[in-house]
Amino acid sequence: GNSVTQMEGPVTLSEEAFLTINCTYTATGYPSLFWYVQYPGEGLQLLLKATKADDKGSNKGFEATYRKETTSFHLEKGSVQVSDSAVYFCALSRAGGTSYGKLTFGQGTILTVHP
Amino acid sequence: NAGVTQTPKFQVLKTGQSMTLQCAQDMNHEYMSWYRQDPGMGLRLIHYSVGAGITDQGEVPNGYNVSRSTTEDFPLRLLSAAPSQTSVYFCASSYSNRAHYNEQFFGPGTRLTVL
Repeated sequence: GNSVTQMEGPVTLSEEAFLTINCTYTATGYPSLFWYVQYPGEGLQLLLKATKADDKGSNKGFEATYRKETTSFHLEKGSVQVSDSAVYFCALSRAGGTSYGKLTFGQGTILTVHP
Repeated sequence: NAGVTQTPKFQVLKTGQSMTLQCAQDMNHEYMSWYRQDPGMGLRLIHYSVGAGITDQGEVPNGYNVSRSTTEDFPLRLLSAAPSQTSVYFCASSYSNRAHYNEQFFGPGTRLTVL
């Protein structure tokens, strides 16, 4: 079946540090890959996505590249801000059959950024 | 647009009680779903619906019922609450499940505690 594995957390950084959150997946075919972010007390919102191999999703300074050869979709940001403190979820959605629309999530990574 | 709304925000139940978590969306989305969020486990799909009158089970459906009588509403019913159902519940919707890259929009969540 489908699965998503995120790096163990939580992650604590100082402002302006470089961020990487690792994400690897297992799925047959060509899934779409997503990063969702959950700010304190809120629901999840889409941060970025990629729908085919070698696509790069980007938003708000965050980037992730769909790497089919390593089945990975690592999230990066060059300079984090205190306002980036949140929980980050990697997720996939497979095409085909009854899989449409169903998201499979990773465990989530808590990011805390200190001034 | 209000987006996806959920009520209540918080609820405490005793074992064996029943209740309904409400979810509504005003975006005319075909696809709606319910997830539960537990620490260290990400979000897991409970039930989903691809349109009014059509529902199906997700990964963890036991103990939950759903119905979809209108496009806008997708309530989740707990018939006899158990402590294992203590969790945060999120409702989500998307335009269509026929494209696996569609963004899903999440409500703010309901935090449920079963004593």
